[in-house]
Amino acid sequence: ETGVTQTPRHLVMGMTNKKSLKCEQHLGHNAMYWYKQSAKKPLELMFVYNFKEQTENNSVPSRFSPECPNSSHLFLHLHTLQPEDSALYLCASSQEKGAGGRLNEQFFGPGTRLTVL
Amino acid sequence: GQNIDQPTEMTATEGAIVQINCTYQTSGFNGLFWYQQHAGEAPTFLSYNVLDGLEEKGRFSSFLSRSKGYSYLLLKELQMKDSASYLCAVRRNTGGFKTIFGAGTRLFVKA
Repeated sequence: ETGVTQTPRHLVMGMTNKKSLKCEQHLGHNAMYWYKQSAKKPLELMFVYNFKEQTENNSVPSRFSPECPNSSHLFLHLHTLQPEDSALYLCASSQEKGAGGRLNEQFFGPGTRLTVL
Repeated sequence: GQNIDQPTEMTATEGAIVQINCTYQTSGFNGLFWYQQHAGEAPTFLSYNVLDGLEEKGRFSSFLSRSKGYSYLLLKELQMKDSASYLCAVRRNTGGFKTIFGAGTRLFVKA
């Protein structure tokens, strides 16, 4: 596999379920990102991991819990979500020289379309 | 708080030049992004400006003026495939990094 892959591509879950989104990058990058894109709302950057350390958290509710076990994998654990959390969740990666430095080109995965019932 | 403003829609002709403006108000400015997103697809990173001036990358250029809180994306030799939404986003550092996106500018390129 090449590039950035995300699984599952589609997910339907109830508000009491617990699920996880997985992202894997095969580009040798050291930074990974979670984005949320809802219909008719601006794209939102949720979390940034740089060198496996979380460097950015854009006031995301605690029902979203990220995990970055290594520089190639990123997870988003979901629990007790709300219907308004239904959206496209996008993962991206990039190669950075260090936290706080100039950001380089980000490569996006295809996204997971999440529906919360 | 912070605001990011960009036009909602623009229309331009194939082969022409179009400039998409973005103005912002923020503290702790740490850079400005431009992304392209075609309908139904994931965004594509176009540029990241952190210093004043113009950065050119092929047919696309991005300009930043930090003192004016202003950026633009310039697209030259427009092609039909450039029809997409263009997203401006500002990164700020106020004891931690935050990135906020504008609502995007939908560009229509006509023949």
